[in-house]
Amino acid sequence: GENVEQHPSTLSVQEGDSAVIKCTYSDSASNYFPWYKQELGKRPQLIIDIRSNVGEKKDQRIAVTLNKTAKHFSLHITETQPEDSAVYFCAARGISGAGSYQLTFGKGTKLSVIP
Amino acid sequence: DAGITQSPRYKITETGRQVTLMCHQTWSHSYMFWYRQDLGHGLRLIYYSAAADITDKGEVSDGYVVSRSKTENFPLTLESATRSQTSVYFCASSEQGGLYEQYFGPGTRLTVT
Repeated sequence: GENVEQHPSTLSVQEGDSAVIKCTYSDSASNYFPWYKQELGKRPQLIIDIRSNVGEKKDQRIAVTLNKTAKHFSLHITETQPEDSAVYFCAARGISGAGSYQLTFGKGTKLSVIP
Repeated sequence: DAGITQSPRYKITETGRQVTLMCHQTWSHSYMFWYRQDLGHGLRLIYYSAAADITDKGEVSDGYVVSRSKTENFPLTLESATRSQTSVYFCASSEQGGLYEQYFGPGTRLTVT
């Protein structure tokens, strides 16, 4: 099955700086890579996603890049703000042992933006 | 987000008891999922369902049972709760299984004593 590694586990940045979170995946057949943001005590919510036929996608201050050859993808947040503080999860859609598609999540990155 | 709800939101039970967590969605999404979230492990898939009466195991299915007799409901049952099943449980749904956003419910915090 798919295996997703996420780094770093914690990240502190000064307000206004950029933050980068990196993930690697193992299944070369994986074709969909979403990123979820989870604020303390809340549910995970999708912030951006990318499909395997695209190398980069941007949405205002958030961007995701994908390198299929190296099997890694990254989340970039520019001009960070205190409300960006949360846990971020990457995920990859791979094929399970039973032959069905499932999302496998990384273990999360706790981002703290210091005012 | 009010379209997917979970009940109860908090539950304390004893080891060996049977517990059922409920999940209900109003979007008529075909796919539904159950995850558990533990510190240091992220979100791990327990079970998922592609449609009514179609379910399949995820990464950590041992000790859990699901059913899906109606599209909108996807209950998760712990047949004999153990302390290792203390966790936060999230239900999710999506229009399709893989390439579309999964919408998460508010979660159920379960403590097994």
